[in-house]
Amino acid sequence: QQPVQSPQAVILREGEDAVINCSSSKALYSVHWYRQKHGEAPVFLMILLKGGEQKGHDKISASFNEKKQQSSLYLTASQLSYSGTYFCGTGRTGGFKTIFGAGTRLFVKA
Amino acid sequence: DVKVTQSSRYLVKRTGEKVFLECVQDMDHENMFWYRQDPGLGLRLIYFSYDVKMKEKGDIPEGYSVSREKKERFSLILESASTNQTSMYLCASSLGTGRSYTFGSGTRLTVV
Repeated sequence: QQPVQSPQAVILREGEDAVINCSSSKALYSVHWYRQKHGEAPVFLMILLKGGEQKGHDKISASFNEKKQQSSLYLTASQLSYSGTYFCGTGRTGGFKTIFGAGTRLFVKA
Repeated sequence: DVKVTQSSRYLVKRTGEKVFLECVQDMDHENMFWYRQDPGLGLRLIYFSYDVKMKEKGDIPEGYSVSREKKERFSLILESASTNQTSMYLCASSLGTGRSYTFGSGTRLTVV
């Protein structure tokens, strides 16, 4: 079953912050985050594993709440280059596959 | 730089044709995946493979089959193409469970 992402779309001005949420009805082992620009392949941002950790690089970070089966991606001081569609993908313990959500379209304007 | 290469960027095929989509990775990854991407539906898993000659169905395998004769190559086969298989097809590979995916650039297939 696909994880549910929210919001479906968001429009920001440069410098504003955004949060994208990803929730699953299943117990999770891993959560992946990817960004896809129009006409390009999805690009890996980060992966969080079971343990409730938080990760980040530059101004993009994420958290994973294992008990709630939820993850959030935090984009701070957004830049024009952040525009694209963000996908979360979830993996279960002992599983080989990752199931992706429907995506969140993010548009940053000057 | 690691790479996943999909043989065709665009394909147009006729209804009923047998279609082969090829994917090659140069990273010695164990796991390979085929997804289709449709607006509003995100990435849906068709098939995946965790070893040579090993394959498992994903969430939407109907009308598709796969082949993995060599570790680096994973082929998606549309046995008899139909118009509802018009979509963007993405191949990905991964070193293992809990590891990141590397995606190919995609094949946009149109079935007429």
